[in-house]
Amino acid sequence: DAGITQSPRYKITETGRQVTLMCHQTWSHSYMFWYRQDLGHGLRLIYYSAAADITDKGEVPDGYVVSRSKTENFPLTLESATRSQTSVYFCASSGHPYEQYFGPGTRLTVT
Amino acid sequence: GIQVEQSPPDLILQEGANSTLRCNFSDSVNNLQWFHQNPWGQLINLFYIPSGTKQNGRLSATTVATERYSLLYISSSQTTDSGVYFCAARNFNKFYFGSGTKLNVKP
Repeated sequence: DAGITQSPRYKITETGRQVTLMCHQTWSHSYMFWYRQDLGHGLRLIYYSAAADITDKGEVPDGYVVSRSKTENFPLTLESATRSQTSVYFCASSGHPYEQYFGPGTRLTVT
Repeated sequence: GIQVEQSPPDLILQEGANSTLRCNFSDSVNNLQWFHQNPWGQLINLFYIPSGTKQNGRLSATTVATERYSLLYISSSQTTDSGVYFCAARNFNKFYFGSGTKLNVKP
């Protein structure tokens, strides 16, 4: 039972390149979330999804795109990466009663 | 969105000591979770506690939703308790995190 996984775990990319971070959960949870964590800060919500094909913005959505064609997958795409998007990205999922469970994180560096 | 404030921001304890971490939130919330982020960056669920009190071993948590705060108690601290403790408050479908309390337990 893998739970929730993220890939890649580490990624280095250049400014202007497109990069996609993957998130997969095996619990059939309705809700999935993407957060970023920057040094000295808590986690900030980028986007969330209440179900397949339903997504909505969080606190810091600019520069990111999400999709959710299947319940178990919730990819996050940086269409044109910038240095300010260097961060650790966490994916989470929750079912009822909305208790979140987090993946291991992806450390992204934009050079 | 709501504001979530945690205190203290940093805490140093001697092994065996007790501590209380606080989480204040600015508006009504649907639920409240506590997490421990270990030194390897993993986020571990501690409590899902929209109201009332729960206990799990040496840890317990209390949320008083009407007064907009939650407390996390750590008793008989161990070096493995070191890391950052976050609370997260849910308002409608969004979760808002505090900036965390960084705990260092010394042997």
